[in-house]
Amino acid sequence: EVQLVESGGGLVQPGGSLRLSCAVSGFTFRSYAVSWVRQAPGKGPEWVAAISGSGATIYYADPVEGRFTVSRDNFKDTLYLQMNDLRAEDTAIYYCARIPGFSSSGYYFDFWGQGTPVTVSS
Amino acid sequence: SYILAQPPSVSVAPGETARITCGESNMGSKTVHWYQQKPGQTPVLVIFHDSSRPSEIPERFSGSHSGNTATLIISGVEAEDEADYYCQLWDADADHYVFGTGTQVTVL
Repeated sequence: EVQLVESGGGLVQPGGSLRLSCAVSGFTFRSYAVSWVRQAPGKGPEWVAAISGSGATIYYADPVEGRFTVSRDNFKDTLYLQMNDLRAEDTAIYYCARIPGFSSSGYYFDFWGQGTPVTVSS
Repeated sequence: SYILAQPPSVSVAPGETARITCGESNMGSKTVHWYQQKPGQTPVLVIFHDSSRPSEIPERFSGSHSGNTATLIISGVEAEDEADYYCQLWDADADHYVFGTGTQVTVL
């Protein structure tokens, strides 16, 4: 059974940092690209970042480029999102999602985790 | 930036057909995917590559794509289909994934 379990969310002050993790199981992690998708309260999903199976190719959404860094550890079957210089508009539930292919581009999201909430507030 | 426009809401009686559109002037040949999200739950993929359906999704869900408009079709709507639906594609010009604005489906 494919599973993705996020952790690391919480309350952080504006300008602060947070590191999210996503532990996966049930599939060969290194063979799949994975992504972070967030959803602000009352809003639709917003793509954040995607990383290829090897980690060599990474894409970011414009609102997070330069502030967020996505990475993966294929030995630990874990995806990460380092979030710096956090802003109120980054408040959302953050989901990790599997992309059904090795490449990080051109696909969709076939399995999602349950999400971890991030609140940016003073 | 790319904006995939969807109608904010669609209302349909049980047993009838719901059609949810997703459009953008430059959509062209890009393939479109669809997600269902019920309140408090994670999005679930219901259609991929315009018209393919995951094995666990009921046959009443189908999709089509013509020109700059993709459509999610729910035939014989059931009460459990009441949810928000989002389209999504890959914008190769910007190397970005893009989600639609979302449609709330209400079963009367």
